[in-house]
Amino acid sequence: EAQVTQNPRYLITVTGKKLTVTCSQNMNHEYMSWYRQDPGLGLRQIYYSMNVEVTDKGDVPEGYKVSRKEKRNFPLILESPSPNQTSLYFCASSLRQGVEKLFFGSGTQLSVL
Amino acid sequence: AQTVTQSQPEMSVQEAETVTLSCTYDTSESDYYLFWYKQPPSRQMILVIRQEAYKQQNATENRFSVNFQKAAKSFSLKISDSQLGDAAMYFCAYRLPNTGNQFYFGTGTSLTVIP
Repeated sequence: EAQVTQNPRYLITVTGKKLTVTCSQNMNHEYMSWYRQDPGLGLRQIYYSMNVEVTDKGDVPEGYKVSRKEKRNFPLILESPSPNQTSLYFCASSLRQGVEKLFFGSGTQLSVL
Repeated sequence: AQTVTQSQPEMSVQEAETVTLSCTYDTSESDYYLFWYKQPPSRQMILVIRQEAYKQQNATENRFSVNFQKAAKSFSLKISDSQLGDAAMYFCAYRLPNTGNQFYFGTGTSLTVIP
């Protein structure tokens, strides 16, 4: 089954404790991206990647890191989480071109205390 | 800056009636793609409908259709014969192939369906 697998679904952590949210897709998609969703702000892009070893900042990259060492994986790293990073996070992937839709993971609800 | 505006944070509709959700966007690009996504309480993101900007004919998918006005940069979603399962947050988005193929999303419209 074609899917984007994102883990964990829920995560509660404390300020400053490094964490990683994993994302993997099985569709051989070139394009992968991370979004955060906050009430009233919609989905805002954190980082995106057009292919292996190619990553670019989105609209809200501060406090986040990503890597794309393999085509299928695109983890999101929070080196020192802060309470303002409490949010719902989505990983997504797509074929590179045109009207191809984004396939989304199931989301990670992160709470930073 | 690339922006998508959904001016209706909340909408409601009677079951079996028709509702239209508005979306406007701002881009200087001539080539782009437009999407509507639905997010039910399960928080799963589901594609509702999509449209290529170069196509003049409005896209339709069963009870869902769009009114695409390229000159006005408007891309509204019409839901006909509304059903209880249509209750969700709806996000408008566009994709720009000439700027890294990024997707840009609006702030969403929360749709309530009244039985």
